[in-house]
Amino acid sequence: ELKVEQNPLFLSMQEGKNYTIYCNYSTTSDRLYWYRQDPGKSLESLFVLLSNGAVKQEGRLMASLDTKARLSTLHITAAVHDLSATYFCAVDRGTSGSRLTFGEGTQLTVNP
Amino acid sequence: DAGVIQSPRHEVTEMGQEVTLRCKPISGHDYLFWYRQTMMRGLELLIYFNNNVPIDDSGMPEDRFSAKMPNASFSTLKIQPSEPRDSAVYFCASSLRWGKSGYTFGSGTRLTVV
Repeated sequence: ELKVEQNPLFLSMQEGKNYTIYCNYSTTSDRLYWYRQDPGKSLESLFVLLSNGAVKQEGRLMASLDTKARLSTLHITAAVHDLSATYFCAVDRGTSGSRLTFGEGTQLTVNP
Repeated sequence: DAGVIQSPRHEVTEMGQEVTLRCKPISGHDYLFWYRQTMMRGLELLIYFNNNVPIDDSGMPEDRFSAKMPNASFSTLKIQPSEPRDSAVYFCASSLRWGKSGYTFGSGTRLTVV
């Protein structure tokens, strides 16, 4: 059974600081997704990582995938308050029939 | 594209009543998924369809839950009879070619069973 673990689960940081959220998963996969969820809202797709070594950047967020280490990171650069949200990683095995499994989510609060 | 459209946005019902949630996937997407989100269990996959055919319903919690996809543009998730422990946010998502471009989620239906 595929397990996905995120850490930290709660992150409080100051504006302007950098930080990294980690996503570990238990079985072989080369397909990982990052989502953002604001309170009471849906999941917004941030990044789709489809191969080992994939790196994608959007604004102050950068995601990477190391399939050998079964690890993805979401790096936040110079955080701003608008980034406050819950961030989920999700993994599937990339084949029809595999289940998209979500991590527990990281609740990020950026303080002024 | 309007994205994945779900209705209703909120539903409050009494225990024992039938509840029907609706979903319209993105046009052209060949996979449709129903998820449930709770504080205790996080996001769980309930069932998914490929080309309107149910493929895996092993996440459906009980026989009280059923899902259909009569055509490529419409799916329903029905709970009959509903119970308080079914209270959750139910999301529908769709994707093309098994998530190669990602999975797009609808806005969700917040269900409260009293």
